[in-house]
Amino acid sequence: GNSVTQMEGPVTLSEEAFLTINCTYTATGYPSLFWYVQYPGEGLQLLLKATKADDKGSNKGFEATYRKETTSFHLEKGSVQVSDSAVYFCALSSYGGSQGNLIFGKGTKLSVKP
Amino acid sequence: EAQVTQNPRYLITVTGKKLTVTCSQNMNHEYMSWYRQDPGLGLRQIYYSMNVEVTDKGDVPEGYKVSRKEKRNFPLILESPSPNQTSLYFCASSEDPGVSYEQYFGPGTRLTVT
Repeated sequence: GNSVTQMEGPVTLSEEAFLTINCTYTATGYPSLFWYVQYPGEGLQLLLKATKADDKGSNKGFEATYRKETTSFHLEKGSVQVSDSAVYFCALSSYGGSQGNLIFGKGTKLSVKP
Repeated sequence: EAQVTQNPRYLITVTGKKLTVTCSQNMNHEYMSWYRQDPGLGLRQIYYSMNVEVTDKGDVPEGYKVSRKEKRNFPLILESPSPNQTSLYFCASSEDPGVSYEQYFGPGTRLTVT
């Protein structure tokens, strides 16, 4: 079945450090890929998405490229800020099974220290 | 403001006492869904609804019921809650259950069953 694997956390970085959170997936067909962010005490918000191979999603300085050959969608940011502290979820959506169901990774907690 | 609202935000109850968690969206979305979030497991879909009067099971439906009598509302019902239903619950909606559409999440309901 479809699944998402993302790197275990927590991840602690200093402000302005480079961030990478790895995400790989298993899916049949051609899934869409997402990164959602959950700030403390809040629901999930879409951070970025990519709907086909080689697409790059970007938002708020974060980027991720849909790599079909390596089944990956790693999240990167060149210079993190304290306000980026949150839990990040990689997810995929594909036809088959529950329609519209997002399959989530387990989440990676990021803490950024000043 | 476009949003998904949930009530209550926090609930402590006892085993076997029926409860309902409400979910409402003001975006005229056809698709709505319930997820539960548990440590180390990420988010898992409980039930979803493609439109009014159309509901279906997600990955973990046991012990839950839903209804969709109006487009904007999608309550989650626990007829006889048990301690293993202690979790953080999220309602989500989307304009289309298709693969690439963003899902909008509510702020979450933290449920404790003793």
